[in-house]
Amino acid sequence: DAGVTQSPTHLIKTRGQHVTLRCSPISGHKSVSWYQQVLGQGPQFIFQYYEKEERGRGNFPDRFSARQFPNYSSELNVNALLLGDSALYLCASSSGTGTANYGYTFGSGTRLTVV
Amino acid sequence: AQSVTQLGSHVSVSEGALVLLRCNYSSSVPPYLFWYVQYPNQGLQLLLKYTSAATLVKGINGFEAEFKKSETSFHLTKPSAHMSDAAEYFCAVSETGANNLFFGTGTRLTVIP
Repeated sequence: DAGVTQSPTHLIKTRGQHVTLRCSPISGHKSVSWYQQVLGQGPQFIFQYYEKEERGRGNFPDRFSARQFPNYSSELNVNALLLGDSALYLCASSSGTGTANYGYTFGSGTRLTVV
Repeated sequence: AQSVTQLGSHVSVSEGALVLLRCNYSSSVPPYLFWYVQYPNQGLQLLLKYTSAATLVKGINGFEAEFKKSETSFHLTKPSAHMSDAAEYFCAVSETGANNLFFGTGTRLTVIP
């Protein structure tokens, strides 16, 4: 079985541009969460989607948005990129919401560099 | 508010020695606690989790952690380090019923042959 798939694995963008990151969850998982991991820090929660509805949002500006599709895959969009958006973006899938009952499976991430 | 403090951003141990990675948490409600490992250029892998059952939790790869409410700690241990344990380790906390995790800043473990 395929794990959590993220694409692309790496990309470089210029300040002010827009970026779309993609995630395909494990088959059968209906929840996708996004985390940002800046170099040298722990991951920070951005969004969680379950059954195509937003179930949680972290402390990120409105430049960050996401959506989940009927097949449960997800996109994370970031507008007006800043240098500080450079990070590893991690997608995690789970079969439900609730961290205790439904474990996360993380993908390998997308490394975004903003220049 | 929840937070996690990991003492020691870098820890070095000799192969075969005890591994001890420290984690202290802050939570206004009974927490759920997790340890994740991250190998270079990879995502996070769950080592173990505490969800209000037994206070001593056993995980994968010989790791275990003990929840101590009086000390607000959840330290990760392994009796004998192996070279393959070299990685970044993250402690995380979640409130009961929550759907997101708060991570610490991580501890990089180096194993010396």
